[in-house]
Amino acid sequence: SQTIHQWPATLVQPVGSPLSLECTVEGTSNPNLYWYRQAAGRGLQLLFYSVGIGQISSEVPQNLSASRPQDRQFILSSKKLLLSDSGFYLCAWSVLTGTEAFFGQGTRLTVV
Amino acid sequence: AQSVTQLGSHVSVSEGALVLLRCNYSSSVPPYLFWYVQYPNQGLQLLLKYTSAATLVKGINGFEAEFKKSETSFHLTKPSAHMSDAAEYFCAVSGSGGSNYKLTFGKGTLLTVNP
Repeated sequence: SQTIHQWPATLVQPVGSPLSLECTVEGTSNPNLYWYRQAAGRGLQLLFYSVGIGQISSEVPQNLSASRPQDRQFILSSKKLLLSDSGFYLCAWSVLTGTEAFFGQGTRLTVV
Repeated sequence: AQSVTQLGSHVSVSEGALVLLRCNYSSSVPPYLFWYVQYPNQGLQLLLKYTSAATLVKGINGFEAEFKKSETSFHLTKPSAHMSDAAEYFCAVSGSGGSNYKLTFGKGTLLTVNP
């Protein structure tokens, strides 16, 4: 069966520090991969998605970047965190375009 | 273009009462529709999905939803609420036929179940 791992679960970082969140999927090949950010009362905002290694699409301009160095690995990064980067970050995968996505457990990021 | 509107950011019901969470969508192509549930500090779990087959869709935990094209709605219901149903619920839409890579989510409805 397929599983998705996302870490760390919680993270407190100072303003201006770098960020690296990692997500890996097991049990499937060539998944579509997604990074979402969730803010209270605002639903889920799609940040990045990827349909293959090295293929990254950005949905919104921001202080973050994403990379897909391997088929089942998706990384969310920042060179210098801002206070506004605080939130709950969710990684997800899907088999086909437009079908249901399966989510990791999320990372609670607090920038102080 | 596609969008989802969830009517009511917070719904409160008594244990044993009917649960009704409302979702209206907009899509330029025939939609796929989904309901997810999220417990505090956890990821989203798929409850059910509509992908152009039967309009009444049954999901996990006793939930079901009905696709009504004429009303552009996909409301989530459960006949009798349990305390364990307290969570946040998200409706999502995507384009069918591979026309869209991604899901668009509503802002969520927080369900409270009172004893």
